[in-house]
Amino acid sequence: QVQLVQSGAEVRSPGSSVRVSCKASGDSFTNYPIDWVRQAPGQGFEWMGGKLPNFDPTNYAQKFQGRITITADESTSTAYMELSSLRSEDTAVYFCARVSTHDDDSSGNEAFDYWGVGTLVIVSS
Amino acid sequence: DIQMTQSPSSLSASVGDRVTITCRASQGISTYLNWYQQTPNKAPKLLIYAASNLQSGVPSRFSGSGSGTEFTLTITSLQPEDFATYYCQQSYDTPRTFGPGTTVGIK
Repeated sequence: QVQLVQSGAEVRSPGSSVRVSCKASGDSFTNYPIDWVRQAPGQGFEWMGGKLPNFDPTNYAQKFQGRITITADESTSTAYMELSSLRSEDTAVYFCARVSTHDDDSSGNEAFDYWGVGTLVIVSS
Repeated sequence: DIQMTQSPSSLSASVGDRVTITCRASQGISTYLNWYQQTPNKAPKLLIYAASNLQSGVPSRFSGSGSGTEFTLTITSLQPEDFATYYCQQSYDTPRTFGPGTTVGIK
């Protein structure tokens, strides 16, 4: 059974940085990209970027370019998302999600088939 | 960026009802469309991938259809555990984008 276990809630001051981790188990870590998606309170989802472990480049949403770094540590099967220059609008639940295709679908459509439980990041002075 | 819209934004239904949710993309995305279900304070759950394929373990009362710019998610015979918020998401291009969600509430 695939599991993505995320790190705990964080409180940060404006202008600081936060790093959220996502430890994968139950399947080969290097076979699937891990993407990061956030959800502000009461809002919808916003894709931030993602990375296939042990493969470059990393794909970032333009909105977060320059502020976000997504990395992966093969040795611990853990993905990381670091967001810097935090502002109050970054208060959200941050999810990691596994990106998968399906054998019965020849289109190559990618879906988020497993998700972490989310990490609440609060940015407040 | 590809904009995704959903209608309605919310609806009220009873157990046993048939529910249909529509998702529209701002440009053609073929069948690169996924549907997710989210209950409060939980992570989303993949229901349908590539517009019409049922994810393993998802009950057959869920179905999806469409291609291009218009898609539907149908729940036949709504069950108590189906009261949730449903989101569509395109995987045609990056950035991946989601619809704003449709909340299915109890009538």
